[in-house]
Amino acid sequence: EVQLVQSGAEVKKPGESLKISCKGSGYSFSSYWIGWVRQMPGKGPEYMGIIHPDDSKTRYHPSFEGQVTMSADKSISIVYLQWSSLRASDSALYYCARHGGPSAWEPFDQWGQGTLVTVSS
Amino acid sequence: EIAMTQSPATLSVSPGERATLSCRASQSISRNLAWYQQKPGQAPRLLIYGASTRATGVSARFSGSGSETEFTLTISSLQPEDFAVYFCHQYNTRPPLFGGGTKVEIK
Repeated sequence: EVQLVQSGAEVKKPGESLKISCKGSGYSFSSYWIGWVRQMPGKGPEYMGIIHPDDSKTRYHPSFEGQVTMSADKSISIVYLQWSSLRASDSALYYCARHGGPSAWEPFDQWGQGTLVTVSS
Repeated sequence: EIAMTQSPATLSVSPGERATLSCRASQSISRNLAWYQQKPGQAPRLLIYGASTRATGVSARFSGSGSETEFTLTISSLQPEDFAVYFCHQYNTRPPLFGGGTKVEIK
């Protein structure tokens, strides 16, 4: 069974750093792009970008470029999303999701359970 | 950047009735459109990709149609488990983009 399991909820203060994770199993982890998607309460998903675990190649949405960093460790089938300095506006639910095929232009066919990030002083 | 507009924002439907949801792209995206269902507290679930292909395990009640800029998701006979929010997603042009969603609620 294909699974993406994300790290648990986080509560942070503005200015702090954070790294959340997404571990894949049940498939060839290095073969599929993994994306990160932000969802604010009551809003539609927002595409943040994707990373290919095999070579860590990334493609960021312009709105998120420079704001977050995606990385991968294919040896342990994990991708990461990190912030160097959180803002209150980063408070949201973050999903990782797998592309349904090998290209960088695919729908997301498997999703993690989501990681809630709360940034508050 | 392409804009994706879903309508209506909320659709009130009785169980057993048909629901028709619309997604419009501001420019042509060929057939590179997906539909997802999201229930409260859950991650989105892929229903349709390539505008009209059902994902694995998706009920035949769900059908997708359209191309270029106009797309439709039809739920033929609403079951209690179908009341949820539905999002479209274009993956034709960088950056990929989701629509704002249509909430299907019980009438």
